[in-house]
Amino acid sequence: AQSVTQPDIHITVSEGASLELRCNYSYGATPYLFWYVQSPGQGLQLLLKYFSGDTLVQGIKGFEAEFKRSQSSFNLRKPSVHWSDAAEYFCAVGPYTGGFKTIFGAGTRLFVKA
Amino acid sequence: NAGVTQTPKFQVLKTGQSMTLQCAQDMNHEYMSWYRQDPGMGLRLIHYSVGAGITDQGEVPNGYNVSRSTTEDFPLRLLSAAPSQTSVYFCASRKGQGTFNTIYFGEGSWLTVV
Repeated sequence: AQSVTQPDIHITVSEGASLELRCNYSYGATPYLFWYVQSPGQGLQLLLKYFSGDTLVQGIKGFEAEFKRSQSSFNLRKPSVHWSDAAEYFCAVGPYTGGFKTIFGAGTRLFVKA
Repeated sequence: NAGVTQTPKFQVLKTGQSMTLQCAQDMNHEYMSWYRQDPGMGLRLIHYSVGAGITDQGEVPNGYNVSRSTTEDFPLRLLSAAPSQTSVYFCASRKGQGTFNTIYFGEGSWLTVV
């Protein structure tokens, strides 16, 4: 079955510390992979996406993600977290076409402490 | 740019009442969809549309109706509200069906059914 797993429901990091949010997927074909961020009271915003090529993808707001096919993972990272990064982060996977079949993970809520 | 606009932002309904969540986009996107977001479950697709006059069911369509009479508008109707429909609802749009095209989300509609 196709699925996306975000093992951490919430994570707390200190401002300035590094961040890694985990995402594992199960998908029959080569997937498109995404990370979205949702600030409180807002809709989701795309951070980055990957389909092919360099397995390290750069996104907005200083985020990057690394695709590891052997581990079926697409972890999101940031070298130094800012208080404004506190939000909920969603990993998603979808097919080449039929974009309505994009599957979202349950989300990881990030708390940033001063 | 307005992007994707949802109304109302907050609504409280009594069990059995009906209502319509409005969604409009001004980007001339063919593909529109409705998701519901529940704690620990990520986003689940309710209904989607690939163009005016064309709609289809997503993962959790029961209790909801949609129509797409114009490219811009994609209202979601709750026929007889139930407490299980208490959720946050997001409308989204995308240019075409290609999964790699960015999904644009509205800011969400918080619905409580009592």
